[in-house]
Amino acid sequence: QVKLVESGGGLVKPGGSLRLSCAASGFTFSDYYMSWIRQAPGKGLEWLSYISESGETIYYSDSVKGRFTISRDNAKNSLYLQMNSLRAEDTAVYYCARSYGSADSWGQGTLVSVSS
Amino acid sequence: EIVLTQSPGTLSLSPGERATLSCRASQSVSSNYLAWYRQRPGQAPRRLIYGASSRASGIPDRFSGSGSGTDFTLTIRRLEPEDFAVYYCQQYGSSPWTFGQGTKVEIK
Repeated sequence: QVKLVESGGGLVKPGGSLRLSCAASGFTFSDYYMSWIRQAPGKGLEWLSYISESGETIYYSDSVKGRFTISRDNAKNSLYLQMNSLRAEDTAVYYCARSYGSADSWGQGTLVSVSS
Repeated sequence: EIVLTQSPGTLSLSPGERATLSCRASQSVSSNYLAWYRQRPGQAPRRLIYGASSRASGIPDRFSGSGSGTDFTLTIRRLEPEDFAVYYCQQYGSSPWTFGQGTKVEIK
């Protein structure tokens, strides 16, 4: 079955950096678009970024463009999100999702807290 | 950017009752690329419906989606205990893909 496991979250100071990872299994990773979606505490969902099967097509929301970088390693069945210049408003649970358009599978999420 | 507005904000119902959730878009959703998700407390969202009316794999037939253009509806025919949760609509017809703010279905 499809399994997505995020890691790399934690507490970071404003202006700091974190790299999130998502390990995929149970499907042919290189056949699918992948996305990062986040949810601030007690709030709704926000689509941050997606990447095509080969990595040629990438999208970022305006809220993270220029600060976050999505990437993937199809040989390792892994998705990444490099987050730089973190702000308090980036505090959220970050989900990895298999998707192009709608997200048919989600990880359990990893919490990122940005605070001094 | 397409803004999705869900109503009502909260729906108070009893198990076994019918739930009707609305999602209205600020402009027409291309090709009716509209999905619905259920999120239980402490869990990741789960896709229920895609393409406005297609049930996702493993989703029971008490869930149905309808609508087109700017007005969409999720209907839950008979509420089960696990259906008391927050529901989100999401459009993927045009970038940026956007979510509604959610409707909470709570036990009356």
